[in-house]
Amino acid sequence: GENVEQHPSTLSVQEGDSAVIKCTYSDSASNYFPWYKQELGKRPQLIIDIRSNVGEKKDQRIAVTLNKTAKHFSLHITETQPEDSAVYFCAASRSTNAGKSTFGDGTTLTVKP
Amino acid sequence: DGGITQSPKYLFRKEGQNVTLSCEQNLNHDAMYWYRQDPGQGLRLIYYSQIVNDFQKGDIAEGYSVSREKKESFPLTVTSAQKNPTAFYLCASRAERLIDEQFFGPGTRLTVL
Repeated sequence: GENVEQHPSTLSVQEGDSAVIKCTYSDSASNYFPWYKQELGKRPQLIIDIRSNVGEKKDQRIAVTLNKTAKHFSLHITETQPEDSAVYFCAASRSTNAGKSTFGDGTTLTVKP
Repeated sequence: DGGITQSPKYLFRKEGQNVTLSCEQNLNHDAMYWYRQDPGQGLRLIYYSQIVNDFQKGDIAEGYSVSREKKESFPLTVTSAQKNPTAFYLCASRAERLIDEQFFGPGTRLTVL
């Protein structure tokens, strides 16, 4: 089955700096890669996603890049703000596999004011 | 928070007791999922259902059971056979086969006393 590894497990940055979180996946047939943000005790919420036919996607301060050959994808947050502090999860899935997602173990991002 | 709800928010259970967690969605989504989340870990799939009256085991189904008698509802029963049931349980739903995004409920925190 699919295996997703996420690094780093914790990340601390100064407000205004950039943050980068990386994930690798094992199943070359995976074609959908979402990123979720989860605040303490709350539900994960989708912040950005990318499909395998695209190499990069951007939404304001957030961007995701995908390298299908190397089987890794990354989340980039620029101009970080304290409200960006949360746990971020990556996931990988195949559209043909009932939409089942395999999640990384999460990255705890702390943005210091 | 509209669309997918879970109840109760907190649940306490004595060892040896079965307990049922509720998940309801009014999004008209076909697929529904149950995940378990432990501290410092990602989401692990327990069961999923793509259609009414049909469901499949996920990666950690032992000690759990589900039913899907209505499109809107996908309850999860944590049985006494589950050795370590204390965790945060998340339900999710997905629109249709070609739309990959999963929408999560607010979660139920189960504690075994």
